[in-house]
Amino acid sequence: KAGVTQTPRYLIKTRGQQVTLSCSPISGHRSVSWYQQTPGQGLQFLFEYFSETQRNKGNFPGRFSGRQFSNSRSEMNVSTLELGDSALYLCASSWSGYTDTQYFGPGTRLTVL
Amino acid sequence: GESVGLHLPTLSVQEGDNSIINCAYSNSASDYFIWYKQESGKGPQFIIDIRSNMDKRQGQRVTVLLNKTVKHLSLQIAATQPGDSAVYFCAETDTSNTGKLIFGQGTTLQVKP
Repeated sequence: KAGVTQTPRYLIKTRGQQVTLSCSPISGHRSVSWYQQTPGQGLQFLFEYFSETQRNKGNFPGRFSGRQFSNSRSEMNVSTLELGDSALYLCASSWSGYTDTQYFGPGTRLTVL
Repeated sequence: GESVGLHLPTLSVQEGDNSIINCAYSNSASDYFIWYKQESGKGPQFIIDIRSNMDKRQGQRVTVLLNKTVKHLSLQIAATQPGDSAVYFCAETDTSNTGKLIFGQGTTLQVKP
């Protein structure tokens, strides 16, 4: 069974631009969660989607948004990029999102210049 | 506040020795715990999990121990190999936090040949 895939793997943007990242979950998984990983803050939860609905959200500004499609694929968008948004963005999928194992993709490395 | 802490940022062991990585959690309501391994340039990889109704769970060369009284979690790796060198994270969640894992800061395991 194929794992979680994320595209693109690397991105370089400049301040003020916006970016869209994509995540394809493991087949059959309906919950997709997004995380930001930085050396200073570690792994922090952004939001979780299930059946095209955002069910949970972390403490990030409104510039960070996401959506989920009917096939469970998910995208996250960051608008008006800031230097501090440079990070590894990880998505994880699970069956239900309720205390079941989350499997992670390889991440998208975003660099903001 | 929300935190899942690890006691040591770096652990150095000799190849063939057993490794023990510790983690303290703060949320008494957490009922599901996972250990992940992250190698450089990759996303976190699931190692083993444990639910709050258990004290111990064993996998292949790995054992997780949960002490709910003192809110402590540990990962034991038997006969540590060079391929075990990575950053190890503990994570916690509960049924009210759909899709949200709270991660510790991570422990870097270095295996000396």
